[in-house]
Amino acid sequence: AQSVTQPDIHITVSEGASLELRCNYSYGATPYLFWYVQSPGQGLQLLLKYFSGDTLVQGIKGFEAEFKRSQSSFNLRKPSVHWSDAAEYFCAVGGNYGGSQGNLIFGKGTKLSVKP
Amino acid sequence: KAGVTQTPRYLIKTRGQQVTLSCSPISGHRSVSWYQQTPGQGLQFLFEYFSETQRNKGNFPGRFSGRQFSNSRSEMNVSTLELGDSALYLCASSYASGSYEQYFGPGTRLTVT
Repeated sequence: AQSVTQPDIHITVSEGASLELRCNYSYGATPYLFWYVQSPGQGLQLLLKYFSGDTLVQGIKGFEAEFKRSQSSFNLRKPSVHWSDAAEYFCAVGGNYGGSQGNLIFGKGTKLSVKP
Repeated sequence: KAGVTQTPRYLIKTRGQQVTLSCSPISGHRSVSWYQQTPGQGLQFLFEYFSETQRNKGNFPGRFSGRQFSNSRSEMNVSTLELGDSALYLCASSYASGSYEQYFGPGTRLTVT
């Protein structure tokens, strides 16, 4: 079955420090991979996506992610974190439920706190 | 271009009642998907509608249903509410059926007492 694992429930980093959020997926075929961010009381905002091609993907707000097929990973990175990045981050894989495509399978999320 | 809108944003219902939530997709998007978000189960796919037809359904009981109108607006209905139905219900729109590139609305926070 398809699944997404985000091993870190909560991460705290200092403002200006680098960030890496981990994501591992389980999917038989070539995966479609996504990172979303959710601020408190808000919906999900798409940060970046990987469908094919270059394994290093650039997204909005200075985020990037690298697809590593050998490790079944799609880690999210940012070189310098800003206080406004504090939010919850979700990794997702494009699923295939009941033979139909189109549903997203999400990890449990990683909550990011930023220290001043 | 306006984003996905969901109404109402907050809702309080009593066990046994039913509820209807509404979602208007981004202009030009014809597919609408619904997700349930709870602290325990996380984000789970409910169903997808395209061209007024349900195209995909997640593993939820029949109390959860939906429909889509000719203007692509969608509603989801939950009947005989249970305490466990308390959740944030998120709607996502995409251009075509089966598209993984989905854009989410702000959600409807449902509390069942």
